[in-house]
Amino acid sequence: AQKITQTQPGMFVQEKEAVTLDCTYDTSDQSYGLFWYKQPSSGEMIFLIYQGSYDEQNATEGRYSLNFQKARKSANLVISASQLGDSAMYFCAMRELTNTGNQFYFGTGTSLTVIP
Amino acid sequence: DSGVTQTPKHLITATGQRVTLRCSPRSGDLSVYWYQQSLDQGLQFLIQYYNGEERAKGNILERFSAQQFPDLHSELNLSSLELGDSALYFCASSVVIDSYEQYFGPGTRLTVT
Repeated sequence: AQKITQTQPGMFVQEKEAVTLDCTYDTSDQSYGLFWYKQPSSGEMIFLIYQGSYDEQNATEGRYSLNFQKARKSANLVISASQLGDSAMYFCAMRELTNTGNQFYFGTGTSLTVIP
Repeated sequence: DSGVTQTPKHLITATGQRVTLRCSPRSGDLSVYWYQQSLDQGLQFLIQYYNGEERAKGNILERFSAQQFPDLHSELNLSSLELGDSALYFCASSVVIDSYEQYFGPGTRLTVT
């Protein structure tokens, strides 16, 4: 089974609107972490937001928030007030702590296009 | 600019060859991670080092090896290269071993012909 599933290969959003990028994960661990990264066309990976499995509050970082629904095993990224510069690939990732140390798993990504 | 540097930026080599990718973490960061991003496999975690010691291993092939030196820079060695090894190789660093915030370098684009 896939550890991280992103079902939206591409998304479009109007500038200044909010958009939700979906992410579901699969783990049997109690302690894990969930991340979102942005990859613009220039190629670098930019850390956006983190949610720990024990965090009760949804993580927020500026215009980014993570809608964490533990029972559903989902960790959707919400971007509010979209800007043209938000056009990029977005990756959801998970960290598990195993007996061989940290393991990181990434989804296949969602390509977001912000329309003026 | 994340503060993580990777050299070279681009590398073109032939099958069967060996290459070394270099990474310098952000000042003060002790942990280094290597990732591979390819079209067919997506983003994959390869290996993590912390303060010179290997701490976690992901989907790293036996033909690949890495090390972290006393000055904390890291090298990823890829040998007996195959066409399928063509990918973008990222290095990331973090302050501590379990930091949730990793800072990625710009990547090294490897093309195997």
